[in-house]
Amino acid sequence: DTAVSQTPKYLVTQMGNDKSIKCEQNLGHDTMYWYKQDSKKFLKIMFSYNNKELIINETVPNRFSPKSPDKAHLNLHINSLELGDSAVYFCASSQRYFRTGADNYGYTFGSGTRLTVV
Amino acid sequence: DAKTTQPNSMESNEEEPVHLPCNHSTISGTDYIHWYRQLPSQGPEYVIHGLTSNVNNRMASLAIAEDRKSSTLILHRATLRDAAVYYCILRVGFSGNTPLVFGKGTRLSVIA
Repeated sequence: DTAVSQTPKYLVTQMGNDKSIKCEQNLGHDTMYWYKQDSKKFLKIMFSYNNKELIINETVPNRFSPKSPDKAHLNLHINSLELGDSAVYFCASSQRYFRTGADNYGYTFGSGTRLTVV
Repeated sequence: DAKTTQPNSMESNEEEPVHLPCNHSTISGTDYIHWYRQLPSQGPEYVIHGLTSNVNNRMASLAIAEDRKSSTLILHRATLRDAAVYYCILRVGFSGNTPLVFGKGTRLSVIA
């Protein structure tokens, strides 16, 4: 069973289109994240949700709108796609509070969605 | 989270030990040292973490300096599958709203 699964794995689309990426985790974690990895390979946090509540919203254009229907799902909708949005987007999950001695202290990442805007 | 400094790249021969250094001179008392790695075309994966004492798990060992201003991730026998970017990250215990912040990491190449 895949712990954090993202769909689609690849997404090629034209500028101006609207697209969504879906993420699901089956680890029972209460917090989910979206990270963006650009062509220079820098990983940057975009959003974080805890129990369906937005807790982190980094400086990201309004065209990006996350949505968490429940704590196991976090989707990312992108409006009016631009060339600069081309990147790999990673979903991750964790327990919100890093608890020492617990088994569940790390982040688990999905395998990524490679978005190419042409 | 405090900043870490890692070499951009390192190279190792297969089946030899690898020591990946990380400097974190501004570490605070509540910062835990985490290591993640990112294999090619995959998401990052957790490797190990520690606070003050050295730690061992099935993947690696973490050696932490007595003053905690540096640490070393040790892969005891590098394999080709260990070729990845390794990230050393400081994270406040019970950090709540603070997410993992990734730096540039060290790109490890393993030579057969």
